[in-house]
Formats: sequence, structure tokens, C-alpha cells
Amino acid sequence: DAKTTQPTSMDCAEGRAANLPCNHSTISGNEYVYWYRQIHSQGPQYIIHGLKNNETNEMASLIITEDRKSSTLILPHATLRDTAVYYCIVRVVGGTSYGKLTFGQGTILTVHP
Amino acid sequence: GAGVSQSPSNKVTEKGKDVELRCDPISGHTALYWYRQRLGQGLEFLIYFQGNSAPDKSGLPSDRFSAERTGESVSTLTIQRTQQEDSAVYLCAGNRVWNEQFFGPGTRLTVL
Repeated sequence: DAKTTQPTSMDCAEGRAANLPCNHSTISGNEYVYWYRQIHSQGPQYIIHGLKNNETNEMASLIITEDRKSSTLILPHATLRDTAVYYCIVRVVGGTSYGKLTFGQGTILTVHP
Repeated sequence: GAGVSQSPSNKVTEKGKDVELRCDPISGHTALYWYRQRLGQGLEFLIYFQGNSAPDKSGLPSDRFSAERTGESVSTLTIQRTQQEDSAVYLCAGNRVWNEQFFGPGTRLTVL
């Protein structure tokens, strides 16, 4: 699976949009971009994933660049409860790669009042 | 239950003792994963089960670690002769293959 690079930490004001970047310059054509987050003392939680089109769900939006070498997770109206470590993960879906997730260090997002 | 459950939530043991950690996945989740998370670190993959296929044990750090799963139900992770470096949160996750993984709350293991 391709390696990802994320900033170590970011701050965001409550109510504002949080934009978390991820670089995955070595991504291959059959690899998806997944985002998970981990709130303190809890297990990771799935947020969203995509292949090449932008995606949106009730939690967030995922913007993937046209060359697929980077992406941005957008939390449109951050709340204090969104303070967490956010992991960007790139992985193959299908074939012989069954779905093991390879977690990097992630981005510590702190939402402040 | 509605989610993945793990027990115990906390375990303190003495160096050299054996411990057994339990994971109850969501019904219908055929794939089950164990991960380890040391303090301040990301998750490390340990082992994967999928139905009746042979498990992928490639992430187990030593032969002191083993795991079992019967069918598509409960899984247990056993650590024999625990060492202080085994102290971590052990997380279990499950999914229907290729779908997002649902994680349990973890078991915090402290080896004194």
C-alpha cells in the first residue's frame, strides 16, 4: 500500500471548517484513499473513503486532486468533539489485498472554542 | 450487540504471566483484525482472520503471541510470558471484506 504524509498537528476554531491535507504521491490506480479518526481512549472510527471522485457524507467531505497524489478531508463545521487524531490511509480494495489497514502517525486536530 | 466489544477493558499483569484478550465482533462481520497501539504511536497490524481461510499472522511480533477465532465469532488473542514492551492498547476490528472496519474500544494492557 502507498505511503501517506500528513502534518503532525493542526488547530481549528470551533464552527469553522477544518481542512486536513494528505499527500500520497505514490498512489496507484487501484488504491483508495480512506480516512479514519481516533478520539482519545477510543478505537478508530471510519469517516469516508474515495477513489478519484470527490465524496461527501454526513461526517465530512473528501476532495481528491485530479492526479490523485493528494487529498483533503474537510469537516465543514468543526466542533470540540472533533478533536482527534485523523489518519489518512491508502489501500488496495479487492484482489489478494484483503483490507489490512496500515496506519501512519496521523494528524492531531485540536478544535478550540 | 450493536458494536464490537472487547474484554477486559483494562488488564494489569506481572512480567512473565500469560494474558488472554477477547473480542466479540459485530454479527455478520466475516473479517476480523487485531492491532496493537503503543502509547503515542499509530496502530500496528497483528493478525487477520477471514472465514475458514488460514489467518494472516504476519504482524505478530513474536511466537509469544497467538490468536484464535472459531468460525465468524469470538476471537481471543493470547500473549504468553508477557514482557514490559507488550504494554499497549490492543484493538480488535471487523468488517464485511472491503467495507470499512469497525473497531472495538480496546484492551489496555499494562505489564509491570
